[in-house]
Amino acid sequence: DIQLTQSPSSVSASVGDRVTITCRTSQDISSWLAWYQHKPGKAPKLLIYRASSLQTGVPSRFSGSGSGTVFTLTIDTLQPEDFAIYYCQQPNSFPLAFGGGTRVDIK
Amino acid sequence: EVQLVESGGALVKTGRSLRLSCTASGFTFRDYDLTWFRQAPGKGLEWVGFIRGIPYGVTTEYAASVKGRFTVSRDDSKSIAYLQMNSLKTEDTGVYYCARVLSVLDYIYGMDFWGQGTTVTVSS
Repeated sequence: DIQLTQSPSSVSASVGDRVTITCRTSQDISSWLAWYQHKPGKAPKLLIYRASSLQTGVPSRFSGSGSGTVFTLTIDTLQPEDFAIYYCQQPNSFPLAFGGGTRVDIK
Repeated sequence: EVQLVESGGALVKTGRSLRLSCTASGFTFRDYDLTWFRQAPGKGLEWVGFIRGIPYGVTTEYAASVKGRFTVSRDDSKSIAYLQMNSLKTEDTGVYYCARVLSVLDYIYGMDFWGQGTTVTVSS
């Protein structure tokens, strides 16, 4: 099974900051990685698929990069609505797996 | 507009059964794979089960933690997916989400639409 490790587990940031979240996988998954945003009581939202492709309707301040075993999600110019928990996921090999999540909260 | 609405969550005793439903609208249901996830209180997202659409043979996959106890099925005539949960344990407590799978030629890119979730509480 593929394991995903996210870092940091939480980050405090201010509106306008740049935030970078890292996801490391236990084996090479090429570019088969997705990123999600999850707010309490809401449905998770797909942000990025195939490591760097922006899902339709997602603001361009979100970007993803990486391949193999190391991936990053970057949020440029953090907005108030971006405070949430972010998860990476390897979606293409069973069992599907998520990282442990990164909480982005207000400094 | 694509919508997924889960229902059927409840408070149940350990060892009992429960069936969740995921009612879909806004897309051609039979053409899509669907999947179930859950989130235990204070924990992250966990994959539960997966069902392929007609183009890929309506086959299923399960997480090890639920295999043999949970069954995913679908009724394409009603645009509903189901999660039948048997022999429930306290560790099955959580919010259960269904999601539509974004895939191309059976390569899964991610889950592009999710429901709001339904809460299952299993108590002893």
